[in-house]
Amino acid sequence: QVQLQESGPGLVKPSETLSLTCTVSGGSISSYYWSWIRQPAGKGLEWIGRIYTSGSTNYNPSLKSRVTMSVDTSKNQFSLKLSSVTAADTAVYYCARSMVRGWFDPWGQGTLVTVSS
Amino acid sequence: QSALTQPASVSGSPGQSITISCTGTSSDVGSYNLVSWYQQHPGKAPKLMIYEVSKRPSGVSNRFSGSKSGNTASLTISGLQAEDEADYYCCSYAGSSTHVVFGGGTKLTVL
Repeated sequence: QVQLQESGPGLVKPSETLSLTCTVSGGSISSYYWSWIRQPAGKGLEWIGRIYTSGSTNYNPSLKSRVTMSVDTSKNQFSLKLSSVTAADTAVYYCARSMVRGWFDPWGQGTLVTVSS
Repeated sequence: QSALTQPASVSGSPGQSITISCTGTSSDVGSYNLVSWYQQHPGKAPKLMIYEVSKRPSGVSNRFSGSKSGNTASLTISGLQAEDEADYYCCSYAGSSTHVVFGGGTKLTVL
């Protein structure tokens, strides 16, 4: 079965760029959409954006100006970059496989990213 | 403020049934039969429980069911068990530009 694992720095300084990678195992990354979703401590879920294996992307309008996603099919990985981060970007970041119109399954275990100097 | 409105908390005793509501608008829940529900235990990743309003993924107990009426979707859990205690989030497709919106989450307590 498909499994996802997030990786990347757990601490990022304000105004810098957050970078995370999601590695997909147990199946091919091809022909699916892949999303990033985040969750601040004690709060709800926020969809950040998604990428198709062709490289086509859709981003949350509220984050669009700061988000870049990419995919590397040879490594079965996709990535997130979020620029100009502030403390408000501190959250657990999840990667997930996403269906064409809406739901997410499976999810990675999540990785905590803290924005602090 | 989340795009979809859920009650902050619900509770029930073992064996009982509970329903969690998820209210959106005519731009999301009301326009598409694309509501999904997720269960999240503390410190764990969300798990898909319902998709396309009422479909259950393989392996999800038939005690979980979903429905929709107008702009409001609902998740019903019957025969409550202690292991059902968790946070539950609804999610709806909201068109090609917004894509999806989530609810604020509901904490289910099994008394």
